[in-house]
Amino acid sequence: GQNIDQPTEMTATEGAIVQINCTYQTSGFNGLFWYQQHAGEAPTFLSYNVLDGLEEKGRFSSFLSRSKGYSYLLLKELQMKDSASYLCALRGGSAGKSTFGDGTTLTVKP
Amino acid sequence: ETGVTQTPRHLVMGMTNKKSLKCEQHLGHNAMYWYKQSAKKPLELMFVYSLEERVENNSVPSRFSPECPNSSHLFLHLHTLQPEDSALYLCASSQDTAGGKNIQYFGAGTRLSVL
Repeated sequence: GQNIDQPTEMTATEGAIVQINCTYQTSGFNGLFWYQQHAGEAPTFLSYNVLDGLEEKGRFSSFLSRSKGYSYLLLKELQMKDSASYLCALRGGSAGKSTFGDGTTLTVKP
Repeated sequence: ETGVTQTPRHLVMGMTNKKSLKCEQHLGHNAMYWYKQSAKKPLELMFVYSLEERVENNSVPSRFSPECPNSSHLFLHLHTLQPEDSALYLCASSQDTAGGKNIQYFGAGTRLSVL
């Protein structure tokens, strides 16, 4: 089975940096995804990690440590539009099966 | 149109009704998915189709019946639903189910209310 844990809510200030953590337990690992979901909208892909290390994409970066069962999403230069839910998703052994965490609701304040 | 399109966006139905949700992807993908998203619960995978064949059925009650007539279209037929089935139903597609990133592209969802 798979288990994913991420904080329920976080608050940060516009222009700041925020790190959203995701810890997981799994019997099979084929990659970890981060998605962003604004209220009432579809989740959209942010990043993918399958090897240990940091993946950087503009203001967003994602880190993975497979030995620790740990990932984080780093958001720099926060903007008000970054207020959303951030979903950590684990791709396990079964074809096509991704398990999603509960999501972290980020509120960016002026 | 591009991406993944779901219709209807909102649906209210009684417990004895039969209705269908429709999903269409214009991305040339081979895999399609149905998810259920309830308030304060994580996305729950319901079904996975790869090249029109169901490859995953995540212990979903039989009152939910998927249909994938071709790789671009996916339906979810609903029959004799319960109030606890009220949720946002999301469709997604990806290039394939195995290998590579398999980024899933989501539709905007159908907000279902069962009375």
